[in-house]
Amino acid sequence: GIQVEQSPPDLILQEGANSTLRCNFSDSVNNLQWFHQNPWGQLINLFYIPSGTKQNGRLSATTVATERYSLLYISSSQTTDSGVYFCAVWNTGNQFYFGTGTSLTVIP
Amino acid sequence: ETGVTQSPTHLIKTRGQQVTLRCSSQSGHNTVSWYQQALGQGPQFIFQYYREEENGRGNFPPRFSGLQFPNYSSELNVNALELDDSALYLCASSLYQVANYGYTFGSGTRLTVV
Repeated sequence: GIQVEQSPPDLILQEGANSTLRCNFSDSVNNLQWFHQNPWGQLINLFYIPSGTKQNGRLSATTVATERYSLLYISSSQTTDSGVYFCAVWNTGNQFYFGTGTSLTVIP
Repeated sequence: ETGVTQSPTHLIKTRGQQVTLRCSSQSGHNTVSWYQQALGQGPQFIFQYYREEENGRGNFPPRFSGLQFPNYSSELNVNALELDDSALYLCASSLYQVANYGYTFGSGTRLTVV
């Protein structure tokens, strides 16, 4: 299967700070998604981004498929951004391959 | 439009017992996938059901089995529970059997095996 590595594993930010989360993957992919796992365990889809750049409010993401990495940017972080962020990829077949996540804590 | 619902939310079982977890797919979705998420790890694919048939399986032993019903809801059954089966079990529904943009996850069932 595809190996997915995320960095950093843990991140602590002051409210209002910016951050960049990285996802490296070992093979070409047809789908890449960023998820936020809330305290209740639900995975919320943030971006569907197999290539290119997308923005949604304070969040944006960039995937450089040829170099096999994706970045998630969080600007002006808020306490509600806390949680675990996962990158998941798919190339063929029927499963997502997840990274081990970045645990983000935003302190007031 | 209803989302993906899972039951129960929490469960405690004894080693060696059997457990059944349930998932109702999002309206209009015909495919259900199950994932296991151990503490501090990313979710790992268990298997997928499409049109009531298993349609792909991850690296899990046969004591993990499932069903999909005509209304596309699904069950995950685990026999002979082991301590390492303690995890959050996530269900995702989608339209068609490939992992694509329409993937919607439920909130999961947290299983503790003692």
